[in-house]
Amino acid sequence: AQTVTQSQPEMSVQEAETVTLSCTYDTSESDYYLFWYKQPPSRQMILVIRQEAYKQQNATENRFSVNFQKAAKSFSLKISDSQLGDAAMYFCAYRRGETSGSRLTFGEGTQLTVNP
Amino acid sequence: DVKVTQSSRYLVKRTGEKVFLECVQDMDHENMFWYRQDPGLGLRLIYFSYDVKMKEKGDIPEGYSVSREKKERFSLILESASTNQTSMYLCASSLWASGRYEQYFGPGTRLTVT
Repeated sequence: AQTVTQSQPEMSVQEAETVTLSCTYDTSESDYYLFWYKQPPSRQMILVIRQEAYKQQNATENRFSVNFQKAAKSFSLKISDSQLGDAAMYFCAYRRGETSGSRLTFGEGTQLTVNP
Repeated sequence: DVKVTQSSRYLVKRTGEKVFLECVQDMDHENMFWYRQDPGLGLRLIYFSYDVKMKEKGDIPEGYSVSREKKERFSLILESASTNQTSMYLCASSLWASGRYEQYFGPGTRLTVT
């Protein structure tokens, strides 16, 4: 079974600084997707960024980027120029490749605090 | 925009009651999911459905059942609520076999069983 581990229950960063959230996963599959979701205090889960395992290039979405190390099974999220609105719970998630209806497996979450 | 709605934001029930949590999505998605979120445990899949009247058990189905009579609606049922089912419940939906496979989430229902 696939597992996803986020070893940092809490992180904090100063506004405008950069922070990196860690995620490791375990799988025997070669085809899969990885995701970072954000859950602000409103509780609405929002997709931040996704990475296809077959792509070597790290995904980037504005201030959010990932460091995908396939051999190490590591998938960290870097937030640059942190803003107060980035404060949220962040979840790393894994999904197997193109299998209809296949589920997401989530990590435990990292609570990010942004200090003004 | 995809919209996933859940019938209640907060719910308080007594032990032994039958509880229904309703989820509706408006984007004609085939897949729908029910998760439970607990501190330190992340989101855990209870049940999912990939078509009307179809369902599959997730990782923690015990004590729960589901119903999907219409494509847009997916209900989670607690047959006899217990205090250990106090939790946040999140519903999600996604397209069938979508290569980009984004799951869209509802706002969650915080259930307290006393």
